[in-house]
Amino acid sequence: AQSVAQPEDQVNVAEGNPLTVKCTYSVSGNPYLFWYVQYPNRGLQFLLKYITGDNLVKGSYGFEAEFNKSQTSFHLKKPSALVSDSALYFCAVRDVDTGFQKLVFGTGTRLLVSP
Amino acid sequence: DAGITQSPRYKITETGRQVTLMCHQTWSHSYMFWYRQDLGHGLRLIYYSAAADITDKGEVPDGYVVSRSKTENFPLTLESATRSQTSVYFCASSGKGGRTETQYFGPGTRLLVL
Repeated sequence: AQSVAQPEDQVNVAEGNPLTVKCTYSVSGNPYLFWYVQYPNRGLQFLLKYITGDNLVKGSYGFEAEFNKSQTSFHLKKPSALVSDSALYFCAVRDVDTGFQKLVFGTGTRLLVSP
Repeated sequence: DAGITQSPRYKITETGRQVTLMCHQTWSHSYMFWYRQDLGHGLRLIYYSAAADITDKGEVPDGYVVSRSKTENFPLTLESATRSQTSVYFCASSGKGGRTETQYFGPGTRLLVL
């Protein structure tokens, strides 16, 4: 069975500092990995995805994520945080080999960026 | 670009009543999904549909019914609402390009069952 873990319920960072939101995954085959962001009272917005190829994936709003197969991780990063980045972030995984488009989501990490 | 819409955005109902949540997408996406979001659980899949008239259960289907007579609509019905169904419900859709496809989400329906 596939699963995703987001070990931090909340991450606090000062504006202008780099940020990292952690995600580890477990699948029986090869993973497709996704990051979504949710602003208050809004739906989830797609940020980026890893399918294959370069381990560093660039996405929307200056975010990027690094796929590490040996550590089964897909951490979300941004070189310089903005107050407007404060939101709830979800990591999700799809098992390439088990068919269908089912996504399994982590429990979410709340990012708070202070001015 | 209307994308994917949900209605109502907020709903209060009583235990035992039937409630239908609507989802409409304008992209002609093949796949549509219903999730519920609860604190500590992230998003959990309720039902999904690969095409019109093709639906299947997800992780937490009990107490819910879906139909999909048209590609663009995917209503979710709570046949007899219970307090445990108080949640935020999200509809999503994606194309039929395979497992690389991204799912796009609607704005959500916040449901309170009293």
